[in-house]
Amino acid sequence: DVKVTQSSRYLVKRTGEKVFLECVQDMDHENMFWYRQDPGLGLRLIYFSYDVKMKEKGDIPEGYSVSREKKERFSLILESASTNQTSMYLCASSLRGSMDTQYFGPGTRLTVL
Amino acid sequence: SQQGEEDPQALSIQEGENATMNCSYKTSINNLQWYRQNSGRGLVHLILIRSNEREKHSGRLRVTLDTSKKSSSLLITASRAADTASYFCATDGPGGNMLTFGGGTRLMVKP
Repeated sequence: DVKVTQSSRYLVKRTGEKVFLECVQDMDHENMFWYRQDPGLGLRLIYFSYDVKMKEKGDIPEGYSVSREKKERFSLILESASTNQTSMYLCASSLRGSMDTQYFGPGTRLTVL
Repeated sequence: SQQGEEDPQALSIQEGENATMNCSYKTSINNLQWYRQNSGRGLVHLILIRSNEREKHSGRLRVTLDTSKKSSSLLITASRAADTASYFCATDGPGGNMLTFGGGTRLMVKP
């Protein structure tokens, strides 16, 4: 079975802190994705990566950056956390592109105070 | 903006009844997928239907796709309390690289 893990289930940070969210997949997938999920807004894509060191902006990249130094690991970075970044963050991976099933991690619920 | 929009936003039924959820989208697609999300958890893939397919089955799930109406429906037959979850449709949209998710339908199945 594909397994996607995220470093934390719950995280509380203060405004202005630098925040790292880590995601690891064990199925040698090419593509990895970061979404945020907010009530009434569904899932919105922040960034995705189709290969090591490659990244593409999604719908809402502002305030975020990403890093993919190894194929299995995709990190989401909040350079200076703000309260409007309080959300559920979901990582996913897929073997190829959008034609494929995406496998999701359990999510990280981030609260920025 | 969301490519897919689910309808209804919330649905409450009794165990044993069928549940139907609909998804409408705006632009042409290559495929449409349905996912389930239990409360506070990640999404789980249910079924993928390609644009040249009209209907697909998986266990108690039946998905239809009408590309002329840009709509899809997910039918869960003989529902169980364990089916209680949010259900999302996702389309690959105009860019082809990304999936765009709708806002979801919250299904509650009462025992």
